[in-house]
Amino acid sequence: EAQVTQNPRYLITVTGKKLTVTCSQNMNHEYMSWYRQDPGLGLRQIYYSMNVEVTDKGDVPEGYKVSRKEKRNFPLILESPSPNQTSLYFCASSLRSLLGETQYFGPGTRLLVL
Amino acid sequence: KQEVTQIPAALSVPEGENLVLNCSFTDSAIYNLQWFRQDPGKGLTSLLLIQSSQREQTSGRLNASLDKSSGRSTLYIAASQPGDSATYLCAVDSSYKLIFGSGTRLLVRP
Repeated sequence: EAQVTQNPRYLITVTGKKLTVTCSQNMNHEYMSWYRQDPGLGLRQIYYSMNVEVTDKGDVPEGYKVSRKEKRNFPLILESPSPNQTSLYFCASSLRSLLGETQYFGPGTRLLVL
Repeated sequence: KQEVTQIPAALSVPEGENLVLNCSFTDSAIYNLQWFRQDPGKGLTSLLLIQSSQREQTSGRLNASLDKSSGRSTLYIAASQPGDSATYLCAVDSSYKLIFGSGTRLLVRP
């Protein structure tokens, strides 16, 4: 089944403890991105990747890192999480660059930083 | 800076009604517009994608229109069903990212 998977789905952590949220797609998509969703602010892009080893900042990249060493994986790294990073996170992918392509979203990761 | 607005924020209708959800955007320089559905605890599901050169797209009971010049899109749902209850999001494709509206929360009452 074609899908985007994220792990973990739910995570409670404490301030400053490094964590990684994994994202994987099995559709051979070139384009991948991360969004966060917050009440009243909607979905905002954190980082995106056009292909392997090509990443760029979105609208809210502060406090996050990403890497794209393989085509199928695009992990989101929080080196030192803070409470303002408590949010619902979504990974998305599309066949080629974003332009004109349907985006496929993962199920989301709900993160609580204490 | 592109801004996307969705009206209404919430809508409750009886089963069987036809309904229209609205989406407006401030910058007409978009590549496409997508409508998504979001169910509680789940990710976003793409419903329709309208390229900037198109005026509308249809899928089953759903019809989406796009008027770039006026910065508007509508999602028409025919003969609504309780299973249509969800949050509907529109997003414009603007320079390698999607800009989302805040969504319309739809409840279809049996």
